[in-house]
Parts: sequence; C-alpha cells; structure tokens
Amino acid sequence: GQQLNQSPQSMFIQEGEDVSMNCTSSSIFNTWLWYKQEPGEGPVLLIALYKAGELTSNGRLTAQFGITRKDSFLNISASIPSDVGIYFCAGQPLLDTGNQFYFGTGTSLTVIP
Amino acid sequence: NAGVTQTPKFQVLKTGQSMTLQCAQDMNHEYMSWYRQDPGMGLRLIHYSVGAGITDQGEVPNGYNVSRSTTEDFPLRLLSAAPSQTSVYFCASITPWGGGEAFFGQGTRLTVV
Repeated sequence: GQQLNQSPQSMFIQEGEDVSMNCTSSSIFNTWLWYKQEPGEGPVLLIALYKAGELTSNGRLTAQFGITRKDSFLNISASIPSDVGIYFCAGQPLLDTGNQFYFGTGTSLTVIP
Repeated sequence: NAGVTQTPKFQVLKTGQSMTLQCAQDMNHEYMSWYRQDPGMGLRLIHYSVGAGITDQGEVPNGYNVSRSTTEDFPLRLLSAAPSQTSVYFCASITPWGGGEAFFGQGTRLTVV
C-alpha cells in the first residue's frame, strides 16, 4: 500500500501558539485531505486540496498542496483548547484506479490552557 | 442528513465467532471503503468498492469479506474473529473521481476475546 509519513507524531503546545504538521508520500498524489478526529468519533474533513501549490484556509487552519505533489502541510494559528484531537492527512495517488484514499499515522495535538 | 451510518457502535466477540458490520450511505456515492484504526497506525484500508457488484482488496484484507449488492450498503464480514481483529472500524463514502472527498461514519469498536 501507499506509505504516508506524517510528522510530528504528537505535539504539546500552549494555548495561543501556532502549530505546523506535514505529510509526505513516496508517490505523486492528485488530492490531499486533512482530517481531525476527536475521541469516539470518526474523522471529520477540515480541508481538501486538489492542485499542486494550492493554499487553502478554513478559519485558523491553512493547508498547502506541495509543489512536488508528494507532500502537504497543515498550520493552525493561535491554538485554542478545542483544537485538541488527532489530525490525519489523507492522499489519493495519481495512478490509483479505485478512487481510494490512504492515511498518515496521525498527529496527536494537546493544547495546554 | 444521515450521511454514513455504521452499526453497531460497540461489539464484543469470542474468538472464532462471525459477524457483519453494517454501513449505509445516503449520498448516492459509488465509491465506499472500509478502514481499521489501530493505535499509532492511522487508518488502513481493508476493502473498497467502486460501485454495486464491484469490490477489491485494500492493504489489510485477510480475515474480512465484503459485498456490494446496492449503492447504499457496504457490509463488512468477519468470518472467524481473531484477537488481532480487535480494532475500531470505519466505513467511508467517497465523492466521485477527480478531487474527491471521503466522509466517515462514527465507527464500530470491536473487541475479540
């Protein structure tokens, strides 16, 4: 299967700090998605990216589709306690015939008030 | 709007028992997937379907069967449960090819003893 390397694995930050995480793949992707998962719930889509170089924002969240098409970045500005959760990247390989997504291993975010 | 509905939410099985995890979507999506989520491993693709009557294996298909008789339903069957299948299972429904997005159910937490 596709290998997606997501880093960092976990982050402990003070409320108000900015957060950055990234995801890299071994092959070219045509779509990158970023999800947030809270305990006991399924992943919820935050941002979708469809073009290399695309920069998209959703409130305090900003994500970018890397120029090489093998990476993506998510930034959260001015973190708040409700940002706590696990963030996953997901990618759709360019040559995948099944229209399926592959996921990173997640970044666990803890925000200290 | 229901979106993706999974049942049951929790299940405990004895080793060797069989069961079916149900998944239904009301978005008329052709593409659906089953993932399992284990600590530190993100979501791994078990099986997927590109339409009624068409299924294929993902990254970790062993021990699981699927079928797709209708667009709406995509059940996952455990033929003979093993402790290694203890996990949280998520069903996803995916928008059409080319800039798609994956929508998830709330998950089924399965424990095999």
